[in-house]
Order: sequence, then structure tokens, then C-alpha cells
Amino acid sequence: SQQGEEDPQALSIQEGENATMNCSYKTSINNLQWYRQNSGRGLVHLILIRSNEREKHSGRLRVTLDTSKKSSSLLITASRAADTASYFCATPTRGGGYQKVTFGTGTKLQVIP
Amino acid sequence: KAGVTQTPRYLIKTRGQQVTLSCSPISGHRSVSWYQQTPGQGLQFLFEYFSETQRNKGNFPGRFSGRQFSNSRSEMNVSTLELGDSALYLCASSPARQENSYGYTFGSGTRLTVV
Repeated sequence: SQQGEEDPQALSIQEGENATMNCSYKTSINNLQWYRQNSGRGLVHLILIRSNEREKHSGRLRVTLDTSKKSSSLLITASRAADTASYFCATPTRGGGYQKVTFGTGTKLQVIP
Repeated sequence: KAGVTQTPRYLIKTRGQQVTLSCSPISGHRSVSWYQQTPGQGLQFLFEYFSETQRNKGNFPGRFSGRQFSNSRSEMNVSTLELGDSALYLCASSPARQENSYGYTFGSGTRLTVV
């Protein structure tokens, strides 16, 4: 099963609007990462937030982390057509004696010019 | 600095064949992880290599294997291909093991189609 579940699964907005996507996870984490994937390509690392941080900014991106609710949100402000992509949260999970980074199901964002 | 290089970009194979995919990480990165991405299952972790040793392994059959060389380049091999192995295979490099909380740098992936 997936560690992270993004919500919504798909989002369509007009250029200039803000886009918010959420991620919920199941187990305790020491960090959470967000990635972007353009169609059929590799993922691009956007931001990493540690468990002792509540909010982090990078350009037009704002990420929040609520460890008590096991959730994170990614806000993209003043969206552009080039922001059209799928967005994934990723968390380290441990099972069977090893750790791996598990990706959520993704939010598909469409920004309409 | 060169990015993560995956070869080939596209591959078409027949059921029952085997395939080898290659990944060259960013210079200085010692950790290489492999993921399989399909529309139905999303991104699934295959394995992670660090300093030529497989450290972590996902829930995939033994037909999926890999290795890492002394220069940190990694290969993954899938034997006895099945139709369900059709997927985008992504390689990700990191300066250190994921327990040290570094983000990944991904390659563009290898699109494998099994017919």
C-alpha cells in the first residue's frame, strides 16, 4: 500500500491562480519531500521539509508539515502553464529491516493559459 | 555538473527475453535507487545500492536484480520478461543513503515495452 496519498488526484486551474495539493502519510517520518514530474519524464526534486519544521518556502512554493495530523501541503502561488505536471510527496518508510523512500499516488495539475 | 544518465531511453522486448538497463549517477553520488512506474501501481521502489552493496529491496520477484560498480554506475536486469513489466524505470541518485535525508536526483527514465 502507498505510504503517501495525495489529494486531489487531479486539479485544473487558470493561470495566475494558486494551487494547493495535500499529502497524508501513515507512519512517523523524519522528513517529507515533494517532487514534480512532467509527462513521461523523470521526477524533479522540489523541496524537503524535516519533521522539526512546520513551513518551508522556495520561490513560489510553500510547503507545510503537520506531524500530528501526518499531513503536508504544497502551495504553488501565481501558477503558470509551465507548472502543469504531476506532483508527488515522498517519505522514508521502514519495513523488513530496511528503509526506502516511498512515493504517493500523485496529484495531476493542469494550469490553463 | 552532468545529471543522472539512463540508457537506453526506449526499449521494446519480447516476453521471455531479458533486459539490462543502465544508470550513471551524478559524479560523487554514491547511492543509486531504482523505481518502476506504471499507471496502475504508481512509483514502486525496486532497490537501492550504496557503495556497491544492495542496501534496500522492494517487493519484487527475483527476476529483478541489480548491481553497482566501483564508479557508482548501476545496472538493473529483468529476466524472463512478462507483459506486466512494461513500465517507466527510473533511476535516482543521492549523495548518501536515504536515511541521511537527502533528496533524489532522477534520470529521465527508460521506457520498457514488453510485447
